Amino acid sequence: ELKVEQNPLFLSMQEGKNYTIYCNYSTTSDRLYWYRQDPGKSLESLFVLLSNGAVKQEGRLMASLDTKARLSTLHITAAVHDLSATYFCAVEAGNSGGYQKVTFGTGTKLQVIP
Amino acid sequence: NAGVMQNPRHLVRRRGQEARLRCSPMKGHSHVYWYRQLPEEGLKFMVYLQKENIIDESGMPKERFSAEFPKEGPSILRIQQVVRGDSAAYFCASSISAGNTIYFGEGSWLTVV
Repeated sequence: ELKVEQNPLFLSMQEGKNYTIYCNYSTTSDRLYWYRQDPGKSLESLFVLLSNGAVKQEGRLMASLDTKARLSTLHITAAVHDLSATYFCAVEAGNSGGYQKVTFGTGTKLQVIP
Repeated sequence: NAGVMQNPRHLVRRRGQEARLRCSPMKGHSHVYWYRQLPEEGLKFMVYLQKENIIDESGMPKERFSAEFPKEGPSILRIQQVVRGDSAAYFCASSISAGNTIYFGEGSWLTVV
């Protein structure tokens, strides 16, 4: 069974600082997703990463994927308060039943302090 | 193209009542997934359906929960005799076929009072 681990679970950081959230997974993946969720709100799709070495950037967020290490990172540059939210990685992989399944990480709750 | 549509977005039920959550997949998508997010937790897989078939229900609670995806109409997640612990956000996702990108809906928030 696919396991997806994120760390840290909680992250409190000051505005202007840089930090990285890590997402490790246990089996071969087909796609890796990063989502943002504000309290009581829906998932906001941030990135979809498909291949080894993929790097995508949007504003202060940059995501990368290393399929050999089974690791994705979400890097935050010069954090601002508006980035405070919970960030989830999710891994899509085939399973023994011959279909795709998306497994979510536990989430990283980010708080950016002014 | 409309995305994955879920309704209702918010539903309040008293303990013992039934809750029905509906999911209309994206046009042309015949694969539907349901996930549950308990408060302060991540999303957990519940069930995967193709038209008229349940493919994987390994994440569904054994009792009171059922899901269907009929030939016509939306997928339905049904929770009978709801309890307070069923209060959660329920997310639906769809894909056009196995191996293609999975898209999530906006979610349905169930509150049991």
